[in-house]
Amino acid sequence: GAVVSQHPSRVICKSGTSVKIECRSLDFQATTMFWYRQFPKQSLMLMATSNEGSKATYEQGVEKDKFLINHASLTLSTLTVTSAHPEDSSFYICSARDTAGGTYEQYFGPGTRLTVT
Amino acid sequence: EDQVTQSPEALRLQEGESSSLNCSYTVSGLRGLFWYRQDPGKGPEFLFTLYSAGEEKEKERLKATLTKKESFLHITAPKPEDSATYLCAVDDNFNKFYFGSGTKLNVKP
Repeated sequence: GAVVSQHPSRVICKSGTSVKIECRSLDFQATTMFWYRQFPKQSLMLMATSNEGSKATYEQGVEKDKFLINHASLTLSTLTVTSAHPEDSSFYICSARDTAGGTYEQYFGPGTRLTVT
Repeated sequence: EDQVTQSPEALRLQEGESSSLNCSYTVSGLRGLFWYRQDPGKGPEFLFTLYSAGEEKEKERLKATLTKKESFLHITAPKPEDSATYLCAVDDNFNKFYFGSGTKLNVKP
């Protein structure tokens, strides 16, 4: 149980284009999902908290107009990187919390490697 | 400011050589401490949740313990397949995870 998927696993795009990443909780409902970014040999950096049916909460320094988050259902959150630039190249990971389970652990997706050329 | 510090940064063990990883934390209100394993190029895999001082959890060769200021992940008789980066995270009462920088474990056969 508690499986989270992400799609795509890898994406290469040209500078100036937009990329959408999907995060799905496969066997549980998640009112809260999280988006992280991870640079090589570094730990996870929280970008935003996504709540179903409401606006995402962004961490300080994260541009909300550049990283659009939509949590349209209890099993799906999307992150759209708009007008991507090479500095946006990174490993993006989502996580979900099984709120019905009454616990606080987050279950992580496998990650999406974004390369902007 | 809430902080999570993991040590050592890297640990090299021989197969069968037991050791411990440390996670020290300072948060205003601990709701839970979590251990994850992360393999290169993959998302973190959940291992344990600890909620209160004195609590212990075990899974195969891993055992996690918690005090008021730190947590230990004990690895008993590790195998090469235990090689990974082990991440510690704490959840404060504001629904956020604070991650440590991780301990990269390498177990040599």
